Amino acid sequence: GAVVSQHPSWVICKSGTSVKIECRSLDFQATTMFWYRQFPKQSLMLMATSNEGSKATYEQGVEKDKFLINHASLTLSTLTVTSAHPEDSSFYICSASRGVSYEQYFGPGTRLTVT
Amino acid sequence: SQQGEEDPQALSIQEGENATMNCSYKTSINNLQWYRQNSGRGLVHLILIRSNEREKHSGRLRVTLDTSKKSSSLLITASRAADTASYFCATHGLQGAQKLVFGQGTRLTINP
Repeated sequence: GAVVSQHPSWVICKSGTSVKIECRSLDFQATTMFWYRQFPKQSLMLMATSNEGSKATYEQGVEKDKFLINHASLTLSTLTVTSAHPEDSSFYICSASRGVSYEQYFGPGTRLTVT
Repeated sequence: SQQGEEDPQALSIQEGENATMNCSYKTSINNLQWYRQNSGRGLVHLILIRSNEREKHSGRLRVTLDTSKKSSSLLITASRAADTASYFCATHGLQGAQKLVFGQGTRLTINP
């Protein structure tokens, strides 16, 4: 149990376009979902925390108007990278938590390349 | 901001040897977790150790926690080629916000 999926697994887009990444908890209800960004050979950096039905909480330095997060249901959160630029190219990973413990379940990640 | 520091940053050993990775953190924690990440993949949860625990075992994994030194270690015994991956520690603070703060990670290579 506790499976988290992400779609797409990889995406290539042109500079200036927007890209949406989905994060789904397949067999549990996730009251909280997290979005991380990971540059090559670096660690995970938390971008934002989202709770179902409320606005996401963004970490310092993360532009909320550029990285739109929607957590519309207990099984789905989306991250939209708006007006993407080459420097947004990265590995984006989501995780989901049931809220009753401290364990987060991670998705397989989405590789975004902006050309 | 990252609060965890891991060392070494990279470790290369022969199959069958033991691998030890260390993690240090800066603030008080509720628990500390270790994750594995294969290249280009998501994270796999390995083990969680609570702040009131000093040692925990899971199969070939042994984790220690020293809250007085704000440090933890992950030992993988009898390493296998399949253990080749990056290993990250992550801490949960005391505030209960469920935020995980990741260390910089150790890239482990097991040579056959």
